Amino acid sequence: QVQLVQSGAEVKKPGASVKVSCKVSGYTLTELSMHWVRQAPGKGLEWMGGFDPEDGETIYAQKFQGRVTMTEDTSTDTAYMELSSLRSEDTAVYYCATEGGAPRAFDIWGQGTMVTVSS
Amino acid sequence: DIVMTQTPLSLSVTPGQPASISCKSSQSLLHSDGKTYLYWYLQKPGQSPQLLIYEVSNRFSGVPDRFSGSGSGTDFTLKISRVEAEDVGVYYCMQSIQLRTFGQGTKVEIK
Repeated sequence: QVQLVQSGAEVKKPGASVKVSCKVSGYTLTELSMHWVRQAPGKGLEWMGGFDPEDGETIYAQKFQGRVTMTEDTSTDTAYMELSSLRSEDTAVYYCATEGGAPRAFDIWGQGTMVTVSS
Repeated sequence: DIVMTQTPLSLSVTPGQPASISCKSSQSLLHSDGKTYLYWYLQKPGQSPQLLIYEVSNRFSGVPDRFSGSGSGTDFTLKISRVEAEDVGVYYCMQSIQLRTFGQGTKVEIK
């Protein structure tokens, strides 16, 4: 049974960076394709990017290109999402989600990490 | 970018009655591999989203059979045959033929 456990809430100032972690248990990270989705307060789900196993590369939504970096540490089965140049509009819950069972489907989700950007 | 449009944006349903949500994509979601990459998720209040349906009509493990998905090309529908109290939340469609895009969400509440 795959489980994704995310790091705790963060409060950041505008212009800073945040790095959220997502630890995998029950599987190894190399067996999964990890993605990141965010949700601003009271708003819908927004895909940020993730690993495309068909190309072997990380793909990003154009909106976040140049500002987001997704990395993995296979020695600890932990995925990371770093977002830079934070602004108030980046205040959101950030979820990691994995494509494991059903192809191209986010079948396992982390619990979410609240990131608040405020001066 | 592919745009996903859901209707309605909110739905109030009497328990035991059916419900239906439409999702339209700006481009066909039929891949050259023959699969159609359209998914449905439910986000219950205070929870992470959960996968309900994959590739248009396949129920994910543990999903009750009152949930069904249908459609093709650019037009898709999620149906709940008899809504139960535990079905409240926001339903999202998502495409994964080209990157990933979610619909705006449809909030389902019980009358």
